[in-house]
Amino acid sequence: AQSVTQLDSQVPVFEEAPVELRCNYSSSVSVYLFWYVQYPNQGLQLLLKYLSGSTLVKGINGFEAEFNKSQTSFHLRKPSVHISDTAEYFCAVTQGDSSYKLIFGSGTRLLVRP
Amino acid sequence: EAGVAQSPRYKIIEKRQSVAFWCNPISGHATLYWYQQILGQGPKLLIQFQNNGVVDDSQLPKDRFSAERLKGVDSTLKIQPAKLEDSAVYLCASSLGGTGVRETQYFGPGTRLLVL
Repeated sequence: AQSVTQLDSQVPVFEEAPVELRCNYSSSVSVYLFWYVQYPNQGLQLLLKYLSGSTLVKGINGFEAEFNKSQTSFHLRKPSVHISDTAEYFCAVTQGDSSYKLIFGSGTRLLVRP
Repeated sequence: EAGVAQSPRYKIIEKRQSVAFWCNPISGHATLYWYQQILGQGPKLLIQFQNNGVVDDSQLPKDRFSAERLKGVDSTLKIQPAKLEDSAVYLCASSLGGTGVRETQYFGPGTRLLVL
């Protein structure tokens, strides 16, 4: 079964600094990868997804992620964060069967400080 | 366009009681999902509907959990009887068409359940 590992449970960073949130997945077959953001007391919102093609994927709110097949990683980056980026970020991968069920990581809390 | 609606937003019950959650997906969305998100973990799919048929319920604890989607629109998730470990946020999501990977899932705000 596929799994997703988000090694950092919390990442503190100062406003306007760059940030990288790490995500590694386990799979021996083709995968589709996603990043979702969850603001306090809200549901999840899709930031970006990798289905095929270019390994650098750009999403909303200035975020981007790079698919690295050899390292089985899909790290999320932003060159300059804002206070409003404070939220929980979830990496997800499809299971690859016909239902394309999403398997989520445990999440990384991004805490942006002034 | 209205998003995915869920009610109630919060619920506190005692163990062995019953509880039900309601979800209204985005209008026209054929696929509906229920996820369980335990504190400190990512969401876990409980059940997936395509219109009013079940696509995947492999992780639904069927001895206590049940879900239905009458007429292929609204859905209800029920827990009977509840256990302490059922304390979690229950998220509903919907997507427009089939179950393909290109279908974006849109999430509701969730129902936070506390079982005492």
